[in-house]
Amino acid sequence: QGQLVQSGAEVKVPGASVKVSCKTSGYTFTSSGITWVRQAPGQGLEWMGWISTYNGNTNYAQQFQGRVTVTTDTSTSTVYLELRSLRSDDTAVYYCARDPDSSGYAAYGMDVWGQGTTVTVSS
Amino acid sequence: DIQMTQSPSSLSASVGDRVTITCRASQSIGSYLNWYQQKPGKAPKLLIYSASFLQSGVPSRFSGSGSGTDFTLTISSLQPEDFATYYCQQSYTTPLTFGGGTKVEIK
Repeated sequence: QGQLVQSGAEVKVPGASVKVSCKTSGYTFTSSGITWVRQAPGQGLEWMGWISTYNGNTNYAQQFQGRVTVTTDTSTSTVYLELRSLRSDDTAVYYCARDPDSSGYAAYGMDVWGQGTTVTVSS
Repeated sequence: DIQMTQSPSSLSASVGDRVTITCRASQSIGSYLNWYQQKPGKAPKLLIYSASFLQSGVPSRFSGSGSGTDFTLTISSLQPEDFATYYCQQSYTTPLTFGGGTKVEIK
């Protein structure tokens, strides 16, 4: 069925970078893409971007272009989200989610989610 | 970007009630609409995909309908474990966008 396990909470100062990992198991790693979604405290869900675990293609939300990089390590079935130049409004829970739609449009929904990683940006 | 508007933003209901949540897209998205349930401190859970298809393992009291710009999530008989926040999400084009959420509370 699949499982996604994310790395632990992070506290960063403004201007720093953070790298969150999402280790997958229980399914063929390259059969589904991985999407990243974040949720600021008390707020709704925001799509950040997607990666094809098959060929490494990425698609990022415009507001994160230039600050975000999503990569994969096929040897460990792990996906990474790196966000740079952190600001206080990047404080949020970051989720990875499996996207069975190979185009990255989540046509069948995001069907398996990680537990979330809290990133706090504060001086 | 496609804007997704949910209504109501919150509602109070009793166990056994029939609950309906609506989601409107700012442009036609066909049937590219998914619904999620989120409980406090937990990750979202996929309930419905492609507007009306029930995700495996989700109780049949949940159903979805609609196409184009107007969509509905219905809970036929609200159960105690259904008190949560519900989000719609369009999968027609990127950036993928979510509705603002509907919080279902106990009356």
